[in-house]
Amino acid sequence: DTEVTQTPKHLVMGMTNKKSLKCEQHMGHRAMYWYKQKAKKPPELMFVYSYEKLSINESVPSRFSPECPNSSLLNLHLHALQPEDSALYLCASSQDLATHESNEQFFGPGTRLTVL
Amino acid sequence: AQSVAQPEDQVNVAEGNPLTVKCTYSVSGNPYLFWYVQYPNRGLQFLLKYITGDNLVKGSYGFEAEFNKSQTSFHLKKPSALVSDSALYFCAVRFKSNYKLTFGKGTLLTVNP
Repeated sequence: DTEVTQTPKHLVMGMTNKKSLKCEQHMGHRAMYWYKQKAKKPPELMFVYSYEKLSINESVPSRFSPECPNSSLLNLHLHALQPEDSALYLCASSQDLATHESNEQFFGPGTRLTVL
Repeated sequence: AQSVAQPEDQVNVAEGNPLTVKCTYSVSGNPYLFWYVQYPNRGLQFLLKYITGDNLVKGSYGFEAEFNKSQTSFHLKKPSALVSDSALYFCAVRFKSNYKLTFGKGTLLTVNP
């Protein structure tokens, strides 16, 4: 199984709502990533988890709160978002954060988020 | 710092013609290089990667890419384009000493019937 799954596919929320994005992989990967992608732009790294611990926070506002409950799951909790946060949110995973040549990232299909 | 440039925002080709999507990189040392494709409203799909060895790398869906160290380029190619190849293509680079992917800005490929 070389698949990363993400739910929901689409999410519309108001600025006062609290919602969560979910990501799952069953490849035994120990590194998981959240990216934000605006239309026709490259993905921007938000967070990196390694062995269920947060390794990197790319100066993301606190209204985005990641969580890694176990090695297969990665959540992104959303609260008090702004309309400019509307984007495609991509999850990815890799074997770990080691730099060997075969350690590539596998991406999920993304969640299309619209903030009203 | 590592960086990737995709000089063309858009590439248009006719179906059946060869296609090239350009990528150049700027890193010190020898990087790992990747191509990803993104179809509308979808996530990124891995196409191919260059690690070491043969400069011509073959990937999914008939795509290939040629690594040129002297020109620091990694252009994506396909001998005969299909309408279904129309998508957004991203080149990415990773240092051998770093796990982070740095993406180019993307090139929108349109294959016309």
